[in-house]
Amino acid sequence: GQQLNQSPQSMFIQEGEDVSMNCTSSSIFNTWLWYKQDPGEGPVLLIALYKAGELTSNGRLTAQFGITRKDSFLNISASIPSDVGIYFCAGRSGSARQLTFGSGTQLTVLP
Amino acid sequence: DGGITQSPKYLFRKEGQNVTLSCEQNLNHDAMYWYRQDPGQGLRLIYYSQIVNDFQKGDIAEGYSVSREKKESFPLTVTSAQKNPTAFYLCASSKGAGEKLFFGSGTQLSVL
Repeated sequence: GQQLNQSPQSMFIQEGEDVSMNCTSSSIFNTWLWYKQDPGEGPVLLIALYKAGELTSNGRLTAQFGITRKDSFLNISASIPSDVGIYFCAGRSGSARQLTFGSGTQLTVLP
Repeated sequence: DGGITQSPKYLFRKEGQNVTLSCEQNLNHDAMYWYRQDPGQGLRLIYYSQIVNDFQKGDIAEGYSVSREKKESFPLTVTSAQKNPTAFYLCASSKGAGEKLFFGSGTQLSVL
């Protein structure tokens, strides 16, 4: 089946720093999604991307759909304590009936 | 407000017992899904349904069963055949198959 490699697996950063994480796939995707999961809760959709090269922002978050259609990136600027959580990428190729999820990036923001 | 509701939030299972996790949505979505999440792990698909009275196995369906008798409801039964049921279970729905998912708040299942 399709594979998504998400990195890094975990990050420890100081409050105020910028954060970058990415996902790469073994096949071409036509949809990329980024989710955040707080402890003990379900993931919440942050950003959806549907076109190669697309760059979309949601507040301090910016995500990009890679030109090769095999990768996507999420950046968080000026991190704050409430950014703590697990960030998941998810993608779908043209014929797939469900999304493929990355393994997540655990983000810790230190005061 | 529209949303997806899972219950209970916490559930305990005795050895040899079947338990059922509830999932209800009022988003008028056609597709519904069940995922399993182990600590520090990603999401693994158990079952999904694209339409009422139809469902398909995901990657880890063994030891689980589902039904989809109504559009709004997609309950998951964890059977006694599932030998390692302790996990966080997430239900999700989407307007159509493969579209962006909306998740419930999850059910933590533990074995006594």
